[in-house]
Amino acid sequence: LAKTTQPISMDSYEGQEVNITCSHNNIATNDYITWYQQFPSQGPRFIIQGYKTKVTNEVASLFIPADRKSSTLSLPRVSLSDTAVYYCLVAPIYNQGGKLIFGQGTELSVKP
Amino acid sequence: DTAVSQTPKYLVTQMGNDKSIKCEQNLGHDTMYWYKQDSKKFLKIMFSYNNKELIINETVPNRFSPKSPDKAHLNLHINSLELGDSAVYFCASSQLAGLAGDDSYNEQFFGPGTRLTVL
Repeated sequence: LAKTTQPISMDSYEGQEVNITCSHNNIATNDYITWYQQFPSQGPRFIIQGYKTKVTNEVASLFIPADRKSSTLSLPRVSLSDTAVYYCLVAPIYNQGGKLIFGQGTELSVKP
Repeated sequence: DTAVSQTPKYLVTQMGNDKSIKCEQNLGHDTMYWYKQDSKKFLKIMFSYNNKELIINETVPNRFSPKSPDKAHLNLHINSLELGDSAVYFCASSQLAGLAGDDSYNEQFFGPGTRLTVL
């Protein structure tokens, strides 16, 4: 099972770039890496997903090194509204017989 | 339009009672999940249903039972509630991706959560 480890908390200021790293040393060949964002009193929300190298969408970038034993979520120019808990998930995207293991989450606090 | 809905939002009950939490998704997804989030924010998978077939069942006590009357619903029944069951329970759904190697992904859509408090 691909256990994941993330920093428990991070602080940042508005306008800065924030990088959150997730370690997953036991990632399997068919596992993908997905990041979710959770605001208080809400369910998690999908941010980005990747398998290897770099993935970018309108809200974030995901960097995955060649060995895939870690991944880094990059949030460019954060704002106060980015204050949330960020979860790293490593699992097969087709989920058949797989295990859904979320990290403990990183609580990001963005200050003005 | 709410994609994934759960009822009730809050549930307060006594130890030993039996309760249910309902979940519905209107996304046409073929897989639904139940997660438990404890006070330390750990998010743990409990169950997953695909076309009415249980495909994931973590080490959850048999007091918990998922019931899926159709593809759009996955309800969670809990018997003999215990203090340790107090948590936030999230329902989620997804459309399974295609064969590995294509560009599709398995994004999960979560409900708003049900906060269960057992007294």
